[in-house]
Amino acid sequence: ETGVTQTPRHLVMGMTNKKSLKCEQHLGHNAMYWYKQSAKKPLELMFVYNFKEQTENNSVPSRFSPECPNSSHLFLHLHTLQPEDSALYLCASSQDPPPRETQYFGPGTRLLVL
Amino acid sequence: DQQVKQNSPSLSVQEGRISILNCDYTNSMFDYFLWYKKYPAEGPTFLISISSIKDKNEDGRFTVFLNKSAKHLSLHIVPSQPGDSAVYFCAAEGSQGNLIFGKGTKLSVKP
Repeated sequence: ETGVTQTPRHLVMGMTNKKSLKCEQHLGHNAMYWYKQSAKKPLELMFVYNFKEQTENNSVPSRFSPECPNSSHLFLHLHTLQPEDSALYLCASSQDPPPRETQYFGPGTRLLVL
Repeated sequence: DQQVKQNSPSLSVQEGRISILNCDYTNSMFDYFLWYKKYPAEGPTFLISISSIKDKNEDGRFTVFLNKSAKHLSLHIVPSQPGDSAVYFCAAEGSQGNLIFGKGTKLSVKP
């Protein structure tokens, strides 16, 4: 496996379910990100992990809970979501600190909350 | 309020012609900009970037122009090919190293 992988690719869940999204990067990077892409909206940053420490949380509701056990893996735990949370969730990784390097994205998890 | 704006949701171009995708930003502190390309069912892939110390960066058929005074950048694709059909996202690097994206422009290149 190379690059950034995400599982599952598609997920349908009810509002009372608990599920987790998984991201794994094989690039030797030390920073990982969760983004959300809703229909007709720009990509929104949710969480940043740098050296396994969370450095930014863009006022994301607590029903989204990230976990970064090591620099290669990132999880997004979901519970009691709302239908408006239906979106594409993208994971990305990069090398930090500079020299500046681009972020590499995974294919995303398409989430539908019923 | 959006800090990075792509005001054209879609663009259609004939194969072989030039595609010009535009992007505006509001924060004058931004100093690094990127373009990403996204095919359906795939994550965005990095295309080209530009630092604010430059006003042009070229990579093959892709050129990005930056006009700092106008807070405007554009991506030129010459010549356009059908395989270039995708959604193109403009992004600026924020103070935390995160990326702030525009909504994207869907480019269709017709044979």
